[in-house]
Amino acid sequence: EDQVTQSPEALRLQEGESSSLNCSYTVSGLRGLFWYRQDPGKGPEFLFTLYSAGEEKEKERLKATLTKKESFLHITAPKPEDSATYLCAVTVPGGSYIPTFGRGTSLIVHP
Amino acid sequence: EPEVTQTPSHQVTQMGQEVILRCVPISNHLYFYWYRQILGQKVEFLVSFYNNEISEKSEIFDDQFSVERPDGSNFTLKIRSTKLEDSAMYFCASSEALETQYFGPGTRLLVL
Repeated sequence: EDQVTQSPEALRLQEGESSSLNCSYTVSGLRGLFWYRQDPGKGPEFLFTLYSAGEEKEKERLKATLTKKESFLHITAPKPEDSATYLCAVTVPGGSYIPTFGRGTSLIVHP
Repeated sequence: EPEVTQTPSHQVTQMGQEVILRCVPISNHLYFYWYRQILGQKVEFLVSFYNNEISEKSEIFDDQFSVERPDGSNFTLKIRSTKLEDSAMYFCASSEALETQYFGPGTRLLVL
């Protein structure tokens, strides 16, 4: 069973149409939650790290929020260059710092 | 801005051949990682490396795989006898501490 579930799998938006991507996790406890952006054929590009419920981070049109069971990546007034796959990953307390990745949300923003 | 670099960007090899994938982590980082991503699937952890030794490895990282830091800058992943199912994107990552990891652009490996 997946520990990290991202939804939707794919999302198409019109330029300027704000929306949110979801990352829910079923792990016991959370050390950190990470958001990455991945362009086709490229490596994941770090966006945010969140550690505790209620925490928020912002970067340009992106804002990441965290609750006890899920995180949202809010995209405000997206542009076509925001088109990418957005990956969520979590680490848990108790030794390993290796993140478990979700399958990602593929975002396409149409002009 | 410092970044992780990887070479080659693409590698085509015959089944059974050895391949070496190379990475130059960010210079002040102490922790190094290899991941792979089969087309359309999740990013999967292979191995982590700290203080010149493997600190953690996954079930995927069997005896066919090895890692090395041959000098002060390079970090390599060797696959001794490639199989068709080794075809994937291989990503190197590094981190300053045991938290946020920064990924390289990847090597696309195709085993024929």
